[in-house]
Amino acid sequence: DTAVSQTPKYLVTQMGNDKSIKCEQNLGHDTMYWYKQDSKKFLKIMFSYNNKELIINETVPNRFSPKSPDKAHLNLHINSLELGDSAVYFCASSSWTSSGANVLTFGAGSRLTVL
Amino acid sequence: SQQGEEDPQALSIQEGENATMNCSYKTSINNLQWYRQNSGRGLVHLILIRSNEREKHSGRLRVTLDTSKKSSSLLITASRAADTASYFCATDANYGGATNKLIFGTGTLLAVQP
Repeated sequence: DTAVSQTPKYLVTQMGNDKSIKCEQNLGHDTMYWYKQDSKKFLKIMFSYNNKELIINETVPNRFSPKSPDKAHLNLHINSLELGDSAVYFCASSSWTSSGANVLTFGAGSRLTVL
Repeated sequence: SQQGEEDPQALSIQEGENATMNCSYKTSINNLQWYRQNSGRGLVHLILIRSNEREKHSGRLRVTLDTSKKSSSLLITASRAADTASYFCATDANYGGATNKLIFGTGTLLAVQP
């Protein structure tokens, strides 16, 4: 069973289109994230939800809108796609360890290519 | 930038040799974590060291933390071809708010030649 699953794995689309990436976790974690990894492998946090509530919202264009229908799902919708949005988007979830640390479990990534 | 810097950016060694990667960061932290990313895959958590710890071991992994220098190192002993991957440090801290965030470094690409 895949712990954190994202769909689609690959997405190729034209500039200006709107697209969504879905994420689901079956770990029972309370917190979910979206990270963006660019072509230089730089990984940047975008959003975080805890029990469906938005808790982290980095400086991300408002064309990006996350939605969490329940604590096991966090979807990412992107409007008016631009060339610079091309990247690999990773979903992750976390829970606190017994020692009070926040450890992430990542999905396999969704590679978005905007033409 | 709050992001950690890792060096080297790339490292190529022979199987059986040890690999050492370094991470420097800028703010006070709660803990520091190391993750591995195989090509085309998601990141996988390897090991965590808390801010009050100086060294930690897990199998062939050894992590050190020097909070006075704001730096950490990851040592992989007796490397194998399967260790070929990118390695990222991540710092867990309260970045300007009540919520902890995990901020990732720039990564080290390790290639282990058979």
